[in-house]
Amino acid sequence: DVKVTQSSRYLVKRTGEKVFLECVQDMDHENMFWYRQDPGLGLRLIYFSYDVKMKEKGDIPEGYSVSREKKERFSLILESASTNQTSMYLCASSSPGGGYTFGSGTRLTVV
Amino acid sequence: AQKVTQAQTEISVVEKEDVTLDCVYETRDTTYYLFWYKQPPSGELVFLIRRNSFDEQNEISGRYSWNFQKSTSSFNFTITASQVVDSAVYFCALRKGTSGTYKYIFGTGTRLKVLA
Repeated sequence: DVKVTQSSRYLVKRTGEKVFLECVQDMDHENMFWYRQDPGLGLRLIYFSYDVKMKEKGDIPEGYSVSREKKERFSLILESASTNQTSMYLCASSSPGGGYTFGSGTRLTVV
Repeated sequence: AQKVTQAQTEISVVEKEDVTLDCVYETRDTTYYLFWYKQPPSGELVFLIRRNSFDEQNEISGRYSWNFQKSTSSFNFTITASQVVDSAVYFCALRKGTSGTYKYIFGTGTRLKVLA
């Protein structure tokens, strides 16, 4: 069964902390994505990557960075967490032209 | 600009009722893809269907059916004889068909509650 695995289901972090959200896929997909999901706003794209070490900004990249050192792993980094980054974070992967496969999500609370 | 509108924020039905979830999209592209995803309480979005812009045939899969109409830019999703397990948030999404563009535009989702 193909999978996208997000390392944490729930996280609580303090304001100002550096936060790492990890995502691993086992489908050899080229493309990986980070979205955040907020009530009434749907899913908004933060960053995506279409190859190792390649990244592109999505619609709301401010306050975030990403790392893709290996094909299977795509990390989202909150350099200095703030309360407005409290959200559900969803990772997805896809092959070119294919549909997304999503992870189970990480619900991050910044206090 | 591309946009996906799911005007229904929340729908409640009684089990065994039929329910239609609306999706209206905007795009200037001639080639594009439309998707529906289901997000149950567990949180993981589950792929339901993909339709490309050249294929206007309606699709039926068990109790699920999809009606794609380019004339009205709509891609509606109907669940027949709804069940409690259908309770979830459903997202409609749009993607350009051009190679090299991988971003999806999601609607804001429709929360479906099926009551026993």
